Amino acid sequence: DQQVKQNSPSLSVQEGRISILNCDYTNSMFDYFLWYKKYPAEGPTFLISISSIKDKNEDGRFTVFLNKSAKHLSLHIVPSQPGDSAVYFCAASSHGSSNTGKLIFGQGTTLQVKP
Amino acid sequence: NAGVTQTPKFQVLKTGQSMTLQCAQDMNHEYMSWYRQDPGMGLRLIHYSVGAGITDQGEVPNGYNVSRSTTEDFPLRLLSAAPSQTSVYFCASSYLTGVSGEQYFGPGTRLTVT
Repeated sequence: DQQVKQNSPSLSVQEGRISILNCDYTNSMFDYFLWYKKYPAEGPTFLISISSIKDKNEDGRFTVFLNKSAKHLSLHIVPSQPGDSAVYFCAASSHGSSNTGKLIFGQGTTLQVKP
Repeated sequence: NAGVTQTPKFQVLKTGQSMTLQCAQDMNHEYMSWYRQDPGMGLRLIHYSVGAGITDQGEVPNGYNVSRSTTEDFPLRLLSAAPSQTSVYFCASSYLTGVSGEQYFGPGTRLTVT
């Protein structure tokens, strides 16, 4: 039972264009969502996050949008650069009363930005 | 400040052998966790700890043991390795907060069980 799903295993875009990575979730108790980037042979690194009380969060070229009614979030990268080529993981957590911050990850989407 | 460190980077085991994957962090984080990454499966939580002396199971805990005797260290033990445990293992740590889920990951250990 995959609670966080990234249905596109890969995405290829041209340098300078927009990259849109999508993520769907099923658990309505999730209240915090994150995106991580992973290069080969390295650990994932935090990219951007959004709380369920917001519908948009921006950080430079990266913007995350959250649609709670559709249980869907997306990561927009504008403009895309070759250095953005990596695997992107969507993750979600439900803090509730336990406050443990356990993350549930999606399968990942491999982004290739062509020069 | 080394962040999260993991040893070894690579390991090959025979079925039935045991080993410990080491993880340490120097950021005084309360929360530490272990994930495994498999193709098409993303990262799945094995075990986690919210502080010294406290551990709990994640999504895929079977075949793995953990302990947390200090804030800094969180070793993962495989008591009897199986081919299904061939994977890349990541350790992560973070502050225990109510709003931030940002976790810091180590570089990973690539384990092959033959």
